[in-house]
Amino acid sequence: AQSVTQLDSQVPVFEEAPVELRCNYSSSVSVYLFWYVQYPNQGLQLLLKYLSGSTLVKGINGFEAEFNKSQTSFHLRKPSVHISDTAEYFCAVTNDYKLSFGAGTTVTVRA
Amino acid sequence: ETGVTQTPRHLVMGMTNKKSLKCEQHLGHNAMYWYKQSAKKPLELMFVYNFKEQTENNSVPSRFSPECPNSSHLFLHLHTLQPEDSALYLCASSQDPSGTQHEQFFGPGTRLTVL
Repeated sequence: AQSVTQLDSQVPVFEEAPVELRCNYSSSVSVYLFWYVQYPNQGLQLLLKYLSGSTLVKGINGFEAEFNKSQTSFHLRKPSVHISDTAEYFCAVTNDYKLSFGAGTTVTVRA
Repeated sequence: ETGVTQTPRHLVMGMTNKKSLKCEQHLGHNAMYWYKQSAKKPLELMFVYNFKEQTENNSVPSRFSPECPNSSHLFLHLHTLQPEDSALYLCASSQDPSGTQHEQFFGPGTRLTVL
């Protein structure tokens, strides 16, 4: 079984500042990793995923994440955030078809 | 319609009512999922259907009853719910549970309030 820990429940950030959301996972087998975003009153939308290959993964809306196997981490970054990035972000892991999600990080972008 | 749709978007029901949530995917996927999302808790997987067959029941109380008549439609029948069942119920689908992509596509959810 896998589990996911998102280390920050809330991250306030100013517009145009960088942001990093931390995600650590535990698993005894190789995994696939995902970041999802949930805007208010909407479902989850995939930002990016790591399946194999390059450990630096680029996603939509200028987000990227780096898979670090030795540290079992998959942190999400964006160099310059916009007001529209205000949302909840979920890290997820799987080694089959069942996703295990973290509790989420709420990002609030202020002008 | 594209993607994954869910109806209704909002539902208020009493503890003695019977209601159903509907999910439809227009992506040609073969697997469908029900999740429960409560505030400040990780998403909880409730049920998984692969090719219309239920393959996962994550210790969900029997007051929640899923139905998958075909690969495109998934229902969640509700009866005699409790106030703690109030949550956002999300439906998702994926192409092939045994495949390599693993990405799940989510609907907008049904916000359920049990009085």
